[in-house]
Amino acid sequence: DTGVSQDPRHKITKRGQNVTFRCDPISEHNRLYWYRQTLGQGPEFLTYFQNEAQLEKSRLLSDRFSAERPKGSFSTLEIQRTEQGDSAMYLCASSPSTGVLGGANVLTFGAGSRLTVL
Amino acid sequence: AQSVTQPDIHITVSEGASLELRCNYSYGATPYLFWYVQSPGQGLQLLLKYFSGDTLVQGIKGFEAEFKRSQSSFNLRKPSVHWSDAAEYFCAVGAPGGGKLIFGQGTELSVKP
Repeated sequence: DTGVSQDPRHKITKRGQNVTFRCDPISEHNRLYWYRQTLGQGPEFLTYFQNEAQLEKSRLLSDRFSAERPKGSFSTLEIQRTEQGDSAMYLCASSPSTGVLGGANVLTFGAGSRLTVL
Repeated sequence: AQSVTQPDIHITVSEGASLELRCNYSYGATPYLFWYVQSPGQGLQLLLKYFSGDTLVQGIKGFEAEFKRSQSSFNLRKPSVHWSDAAEYFCAVGAPGGGKLIFGQGTELSVKP
């Protein structure tokens, strides 16, 4: 078990460019979550999937943000027409959907993808 | 609305001293409660969790937390802090059965030698 993997770890882009982040969850986990974390703040929920179905989206997830999990395994988070306010750490987490008491609630996080928009 | 408040943005303690980090939550029912720790450049690591039962829960690295329903609190404690405990600590709540966690803004812990 290699844990939750995120790629790239760091991305520097110019305002207006599109960026895509990838997340590979723990293989036996069928739930996958995306969070955004800015400096000095806690992680803010963006969206989550169970298998390939996107079950919840935050209103923080503007039209410029799109997340997919086409085969229920890895997921991508794309930000179109980036703005300086998009600069943040984007965290991915995974969890099982069933199992022992509370198992579905225990999120395992990746190391994150840091985005800097110039 | 569901929310988590961590009143202390930054705490400094001396190595070997005891530690208590505060967490208060607002939730419609009894939520599941969590503490995570984040070291610089790292993802979040689960320290401990509360689902039900005994209100004092033990976690990794010598941490414990106590759930107090009457105070809507879930404070994190450690009897003797080590320099390696310096990190950011996040309290979180979630609905039983899974789904998103809602995090507090975090408490940064510094440890003096």
